[in-house]
Amino acid sequence: QVHLVESGGGVVQPGRSLTLSCGASGFIFGSYTMHWVRQAPGKGLTWVAGMSRDGSNQYYADSVEGRFTISRDNSKNTLYLQMDSLGVDDTAVYYCTRATGDGFDPWGQGTLVTVSS
Amino acid sequence: EIVLTQSPGTLSLSPGERATLSCRASRSVSSIYFAWCQQRPGQAPRLLISGTSRRAAGVPDRFSVSGSGTDFTLTIDRLEPEDFAVYYCQQFGSPPYTFGQGTKVEI
Repeated sequence: QVHLVESGGGVVQPGRSLTLSCGASGFIFGSYTMHWVRQAPGKGLTWVAGMSRDGSNQYYADSVEGRFTISRDNSKNTLYLQMDSLGVDDTAVYYCTRATGDGFDPWGQGTLVTVSS
Repeated sequence: EIVLTQSPGTLSLSPGERATLSCRASRSVSSIYFAWCQQRPGQAPRLLISGTSRRAAGVPDRFSVSGSGTDFTLTIDRLEPEDFAVYYCQQFGSPPYTFGQGTKVEI
């Protein structure tokens, strides 16, 4: 059974950093491009970042470019998102998801990041 | 960036009725890089159906898609109580990958 579990969310002050993790199971992690998508409270879905299977390519939304870093450890079946210089607009539930030929599937349950002083 | 605009914002229907949701792209998107996902209240999103009509596991055939290029439609026949949710269209052809703003299907 394909499963993604995010962790690392919490309350952080503006300007500080936080690192999210996403543990994968039930599939060959290193065979898939992976993404982070976020959802601000009461809002829609926004793609944040993606990384190719071997980690050689990373892609970022303009809103996080230069502040967020996506990475992966295929030996640990884990995807990461390092978030620096966090602002209140980064408050959201962050989802990890796998890219397939048909779309993003599955999605993790999400981890809430709250940026507040 | 490809902007996806969904309409209507909210669709008020009754169980058993048909729902028709639209998604318009600011420029052409290949169907192989287009999908719809569903988000029920309090749950994570889930892939529903691809632009080439491939349904995700467990998705009933009441869900269908049509369209190409810049205009795509999701149709839900015979609405069931569990279908009342928010639906997002998505393009994943090239970054930045984008989502529509969502259509809420409510009773």
